[in-house]
Amino acid sequence: AQSVTQLGSHVSVSEGALVLLRCNYSSSVPPYLFWYVQYPNQGLQLLLKYTTGATLVKGINGFEAEFKKSETSFHLTKPSAHMSDAAEYFCAAMNGYGQNFVFGPGTRLSVLP
Amino acid sequence: NAGVTQTPKFQVLKTGQSMTLQCAQDMNHEYMSWYRQDPGMGLRLIHYSVGAGITDQGEVPNGYNVSRSTTEDFPLRLLSAAPSQTSVYFCASSSLREQFFGPGTRLTVL
Repeated sequence: AQSVTQLGSHVSVSEGALVLLRCNYSSSVPPYLFWYVQYPNQGLQLLLKYTTGATLVKGINGFEAEFKKSETSFHLTKPSAHMSDAAEYFCAAMNGYGQNFVFGPGTRLSVLP
Repeated sequence: NAGVTQTPKFQVLKTGQSMTLQCAQDMNHEYMSWYRQDPGMGLRLIHYSVGAGITDQGEVPNGYNVSRSTTEDFPLRLLSAAPSQTSVYFCASSSLREQFFGPGTRLTVL
């Protein structure tokens, strides 16, 4: 069965510092991969996704992620954190239709002034 | 396109009451699903449907019923609400390459 892990349930960075949120998946077939952001009391917003093609994917709000098949990873990065980036971030993997859509447990990002 | 819509946004129930969470999509997707979100557990699949008339159980189906009479609508029913069903519920609609989520329903069962 496919699974997604996110290292660190809570990550704190200083404003202006690099953001790195880790995501690893387990699948015999490389899945489609997604990062979602959820602000307090809000729904899920798609940050970026990898389906095929270029392994470095750029998303909204200055975020990007790189698909590394050899490491089964899809880590999310942003060069310089902003206070408005404080939220919960979910990595997800999809193989075929949604019944194989699996979320990671989420990482809460705090940005310190 | 409205995408995926959910009603209500908030609901408070007493233990034992029943209710239906509504979900609709206008993207003509065959696949729809319901998730619940609880702190520290991410989103867990409750039920899903691969088309009108076809539904199946996900990871946490107990206490919930679904039906799919049309492509557009996929309601989730709680027959006898329990405090353990206090959660945020998200409906989703899928293409082959992406899932689209509704805004969520925050349910509290007292």
